[in-house]
Amino acid sequence: GAGVSQSPSNKVTEKGKDVELRCDPISGHTALYWYRQSLGQGLEFLIYFQGNSAPDKSGLPSDRFSAERTGGSVSTLTIQRTQQEDSAVYLCASSLFRRAGDTQYFGPGTRLTVL
Amino acid sequence: QKEVEQNSGPLSVPEGAIASLNCTYSDRGSQSFFWYRQYSGKSPELIMFIYSNGDKEDGRFTAQLNKASQYVSLLIRDSQPSDSATYLCAVDPYSGGGADGLTFGKGTHLIIQP
Repeated sequence: GAGVSQSPSNKVTEKGKDVELRCDPISGHTALYWYRQSLGQGLEFLIYFQGNSAPDKSGLPSDRFSAERTGGSVSTLTIQRTQQEDSAVYLCASSLFRRAGDTQYFGPGTRLTVL
Repeated sequence: QKEVEQNSGPLSVPEGAIASLNCTYSDRGSQSFFWYRQYSGKSPELIMFIYSNGDKEDGRFTAQLNKASQYVSLLIRDSQPSDSATYLCAVDPYSGGGADGLTFGKGTHLIIQP
């Protein structure tokens, strides 16, 4: 079946602009996650959704970051007033449920470059 | 602060030999452990997961877990050039509550020399 999809695959923007990143999880997966991978760094967890609800938003790097999920499916990660330090690959993952050991499957990522 | 430590490498192994990748974690309450492989410019793909102490084998891959020592390893037997990639150790702190994602190490860059 289809895996996790993300769009756009690449996004170049100017400092100060807003960007929206989209994630479409595997059909039937109730849990959705956003991570960020900066050059030379490990994956950094940003936020998790169970259904449409995000129980904890403390992983978001700043209040310029927000995320939502609608219909228990597609999620968007919005970054307002982008800064150069926001440049990274943004990865989305989904899992069937949020249970101990449930495997998270990753999408291809969106490479964000802030000039 | 939950941490996952890996040797960044590069780890260079001759083709056909055994590659041994190691990982330590700080959160003693962690329940499950994952190894992901990431090729340059690509997203992580799951290689193996392990929940219980001991060894788990899947083809050429063996994951080993020692919760008392907070140590996870991945062995790759009969290493192939296509195994050259960065291997990410990930720890799931989930124990019935909370909203954390996986905690990843920075990865070990493995090079299989033909």
